[in-house]
Amino acid sequence: QKEVEQNSGPLSVPEGAIASLNCTYSDRGSQSFFWYRQYSGKSPELIMSIYSNGDKEDGRFTAQLNKASQYVSLLIRDSQPSDSATYLCAVNPRGGYNKLIFGAGTRLAVHP
Amino acid sequence: SAVISQKPSRDICQRGTSLTIQCQVDSQVTMMFWYRQQPGQSLTLIATANQGSEATYESGFVIDKFPISRPNLTFSTLTVSNMSPEDSSIYLCSVLSRDGNYEQYFGPGTRLTVT
Repeated sequence: QKEVEQNSGPLSVPEGAIASLNCTYSDRGSQSFFWYRQYSGKSPELIMSIYSNGDKEDGRFTAQLNKASQYVSLLIRDSQPSDSATYLCAVNPRGGYNKLIFGAGTRLAVHP
Repeated sequence: SAVISQKPSRDICQRGTSLTIQCQVDSQVTMMFWYRQQPGQSLTLIATANQGSEATYESGFVIDKFPISRPNLTFSTLTVSNMSPEDSSIYLCSVLSRDGNYEQYFGPGTRLTVT
């Protein structure tokens, strides 16, 4: 079992719709969770971090964390073509000394 | 967040040679990290570089192949030694946020092609 799992996609949504990206992790003791956006040929850009159960909203982005079920999700409201990118889920494992374990990423395509 | 630069941005190297990648940050940071992203893959941590101590390597990565220096709180280098085509990847440095929130920010990366 991979430590951090994501559906590779592509996830295709129409412009204006809600894109829902999911991630599961294996280490129940993980404490910190992050979503990065990576455009083709670019480095990852941090867009959301979440540390406690529940929802965290930032503009059009909402991160959701459920530690009991060991999943974290990212919702993108009013999706735009500029949101088309690969979204990477990253987890700081228990005893991980600040290191991050990345999922394989989900490719999102927003079509006009 | 910190401004991070890397040199070179890309290079094409012959097998058997070595390349040193530099990572410069515009502010002092305690922890820096080196990642590899192979074509079409996600990021894999190579090592954690702490100032004043030896780097901590992840399973599958060894110091002889990927020596790291961290001479001060704003700079680090990663050397890819005795390169083979399998080392063709993007190499990224990242820094730990000083806000105590475990966030990491990435440099622009170095695209390495080994022929």
